[in-house]
Amino acid sequence: GESVGLHLPTLSVQEGDNSIINCAYSNSASDYFIWYKQESGKGPQFIIDIRSNMDKRQGQRVTVLLNKTVKHLSLQIAATQPGDSAVYFCAEKSGAQKLVFGQGTRLTINP
Amino acid sequence: KAGVTQTPRYLIKTRGQQVTLSCSPISGHRSVSWYQQTPGQGLQFLFEYFSETQRNKGNFPGRFSGRQFSNSRSEMNVSTLELGDSALYLCASSLVPGSNEQFFGPGTRLTVL
Repeated sequence: GESVGLHLPTLSVQEGDNSIINCAYSNSASDYFIWYKQESGKGPQFIIDIRSNMDKRQGQRVTVLLNKTVKHLSLQIAATQPGDSAVYFCAEKSGAQKLVFGQGTRLTINP
Repeated sequence: KAGVTQTPRYLIKTRGQQVTLSCSPISGHRSVSWYQQTPGQGLQFLFEYFSETQRNKGNFPGRFSGRQFSNSRSEMNVSTLELGDSALYLCASSLVPGSNEQFFGPGTRLTVL
């Protein structure tokens, strides 16, 4: 079936450290995996996506890793800043169908 | 360029009433999707509209409906409100349907008493 889950509901990191947010998925037929960030009082914001035939994709300060063998997805944020505090959602999509979101991980940055 | 706007931002209704929420997509975006966000269920897809046609529908009862107008603005309606309908309703727009990058509005917070 389609379900996207997250390993940890909360994550605290020191400012300047790297953050790693993990996500497990079950739908092997997904074409894309996507990360969104939701700050308090705002709607989710697209961060980065990765096609299912790739295992790594880098953006500005972010890297997404995809391990299809264990159906695991991670988002790495380099040099975490206070502005990175938010809830991070992974989502998956098959074809031109709907996005299926995971439950979210709250990232807290400690000064 | 203005972002996605949703009105109203907050709404309080009682059980049995109906409600209409409005969404104006980013200029030029023709696809609009609606999501329900709750602490327990997370972000759940309601439906997607493109060129005034519903392309996709989530697993919600028929009390939830929507439509899209020729200017791409969209409305969603919930009839016979239940307590469990209390949620943040998010609208997202994109240039084309099925896009990975969707632009979300701030949401409408609906409270059903």
